[in-house]
Amino acid sequence: EPEVTQTPSHQVTQMGQEVILRCVPISNHLYFYWYRQILGQKVEFLVSFYNNEISEKSEIFDDQFSVERPDGSNFTLKIRSTKLEDSAMYFCASRKTSSSSYEQYFGPGTRLTVT
Amino acid sequence: AQSVTQLGSHVSVSEGALVLLRCNYSSSVPPYLFWYVQYPNQGLQLLLKYTTGATLVKGINGFEAEFKKSETSFHLTKPSAHMSDAAEYFCAVTSNAGGTSYGKLTFGQGTILTVHP
Repeated sequence: EPEVTQTPSHQVTQMGQEVILRCVPISNHLYFYWYRQILGQKVEFLVSFYNNEISEKSEIFDDQFSVERPDGSNFTLKIRSTKLEDSAMYFCASRKTSSSSYEQYFGPGTRLTVT
Repeated sequence: AQSVTQLGSHVSVSEGALVLLRCNYSSSVPPYLFWYVQYPNQGLQLLLKYTTGATLVKGINGFEAEFKKSETSFHLTKPSAHMSDAAEYFCAVTSNAGGTSYGKLTFGQGTILTVHP
């Protein structure tokens, strides 16, 4: 069964460093998402991506964040200058184009620790 | 804006007992509702969904949920808990607001289910 994959599973970085989190969505899906979950808090929407552009973003997704689909299979989230408060689990998700079903399929997550 | 409230951050049941996890939502447009499960160190797995049609929906692992518009609820149930059901459960909502929604999910706070032998 196709699944969403994410790498790395755990990333430790120093404050101020750039990080890139990688995701490979399910191959025939057209909508892509990033969510994050700070320890002990709810899962929060960051950004959605469709047709090679950002379709929606939350107030969390400021200028320090960017997304890219560089090669038609990978979907990346870049944080330019990490802060301590960026420490969280980051989930990638994807879904088909069907308007009758909005279910999203999630990857296993990348745990980002900023020290 | 949409929101989800899950009543009870922790629920504990005995093996074989009824599981009831509560979810209430707020949405100004017809909602699409989901339950996801997260096992330790794993991602979110879809349990079941409600979009349109039958209000009682069945999912994987014997779980089901009923959409009650009048109560703005989408509670998750399972008649008989199994040890393997121990996990964190998330209720989520999205909508097709005028056909322009890109389907972002709004999640509840999550409920940790513990199953005792």
